[in-house]
Amino acid sequence: AQRVTQPEKLLSVFKGAPVELKCNYSYSGSPELFWYVQYSRQRLQLLLRHISRESIKGFTADLNKGETSFHLKKPFAQEEDSAMYYCALRGAGAGKSTFGDGTTLTVKP
Amino acid sequence: DTAVSQTPKYLVTQMGNDKSIKCEQNLGHDTMYWYKQDSKKFLKIMFSYNNKELIINETVPNRFSPKSPDKAHLNLHINSLELGDSAVYFCASSQQGSGYGYTFGSGTRLTVV
Repeated sequence: AQRVTQPEKLLSVFKGAPVELKCNYSYSGSPELFWYVQYSRQRLQLLLRHISRESIKGFTADLNKGETSFHLKKPFAQEEDSAMYYCALRGAGAGKSTFGDGTTLTVKP
Repeated sequence: DTAVSQTPKYLVTQMGNDKSIKCEQNLGHDTMYWYKQDSKKFLKIMFSYNNKELIINETVPNRFSPKSPDKAHLNLHINSLELGDSAVYFCASSQQGSGYGYTFGSGTRLTVV
C-alpha cells in the first residue's frame, strides 16, 4: 500500500519568509515523489519531481529515504506562491499516483 | 494548444440523470487517468487506462464507467447521478516509465441538484 501524509492543511507565512511544506510517505518499494501546485481556480500543475533534483520557481525538494520525507522548501516566499500544494507518490511500473490531502499556502504581504 | 482538454467545464444536472465527461490529450501519452476532487479538495484516483486498456479501477460505484476509444481519449460516463457525486473531476495523462509526472486537464465541476 502507498500512503502520503501532508500534516499541515493550512500554512501561512509572510512575504520574504522561508516556507516548508511537509510531506511524508509510506511505500514498500522504490518511490517516485512529486509536488503539484493548484493556483486558485486553475488546473493542477506539476511543480517538482524528485528524480530531476531541480529548482522550480525557487522551490526545492529533497527525497529523504531514511525519514521517508519529501518536504518542499523555498527560502523567500512570494505572494504569488499562495496556492494549494499536493505531494504525490507514484508506485513502481508507472502505477497510480497517490496524493496527499494537500496544504493550502497563504503568503501574506 | 491545450495538452489535456476536458469538456464540459461545468455540469449542473438533476439527481437520477446520466451524464458524460470527455477528455482528450494531444501529448502522445500512453496512460490516462480520472481523479475526483471532493469538497475538501482531496484527490482520489478512480480509473487508469494504458493504451485503451483498463489498468486501475479503484473502489468506485458501478454507476461510473470509463471508456477509452483510443489512447488519446478517456471518457467518463456516470449513470443515475447522486448528490454525493458532486465534485470536480480531473482527467490526467502521463508517459510510461520512471520519473514522469501527470499533465492535468482543467477539471469538470459537476453539481448534482
